[in-house]
Amino acid sequence: AQSVTQPDIHITVSEGASLELRCNYSYGATPYLFWYVQSPGQGLQLLLKYFSGDTLVQGIKGFEAEFKRSQSSFNLRKPSVHWSDAAEYFCAVAPTQPKLIFGAGTRLAVHP
Amino acid sequence: DTAVSQTPKYLVTQMGNDKSIKCEQNLGHDTMYWYKQDSKKFLKIMFSYNNKELIINETVPNRFSPKSPDKAHLNLHINSLELGDSAVYFCASSQSGTSGYEQYFGPGTRLTVT
Repeated sequence: AQSVTQPDIHITVSEGASLELRCNYSYGATPYLFWYVQSPGQGLQLLLKYFSGDTLVQGIKGFEAEFKRSQSSFNLRKPSVHWSDAAEYFCAVAPTQPKLIFGAGTRLAVHP
Repeated sequence: DTAVSQTPKYLVTQMGNDKSIKCEQNLGHDTMYWYKQDSKKFLKIMFSYNNKELIINETVPNRFSPKSPDKAHLNLHINSLELGDSAVYFCASSQSGTSGYEQYFGPGTRLTVT
């Protein structure tokens, strides 16, 4: 069965530090891959997506993600974190049908 | 201006009651979804409609009945509410095609069953 694993439940970084959030998926082929962010009490906002082509994708708010087929990974990165980046981050995959399978999420806390 | 809107934002009700949540999108999309986010923030799809036709129906109790009167609306009716139904329910929409899996989410409806 398809699944998405986000190994880190909680991550704390200092403002200005770099960030990497991990995501691994289990699927026979290359699915469509997404990162969403959920601020407290808010809905989900799409940060970036990978369909095909260049394996390094740029998103909004200075985020990027790299797809690595050999590792079945799609890790999210940001070179310098801002306090406003504190939120819950979800990795998601869309296999063959139009539904998203989400990871459990990673809660990001940012220290001033 | 809101792309995907849901009403109400908060819903508090007692066990055994029947309630509905409404969703509307003004993006011109042809596919809409309902997701449930539990207390641990885990998100799972419940239903999906494409052009008013049900295309995804996950293992959801039949107390939950979605209805899509047109492409822009998808409502969720829940009968005989149970404590375990307490969650945040998100509506989403997308346009089928190569970008059809890119979904836009509403702000959520927090349902509390007491």
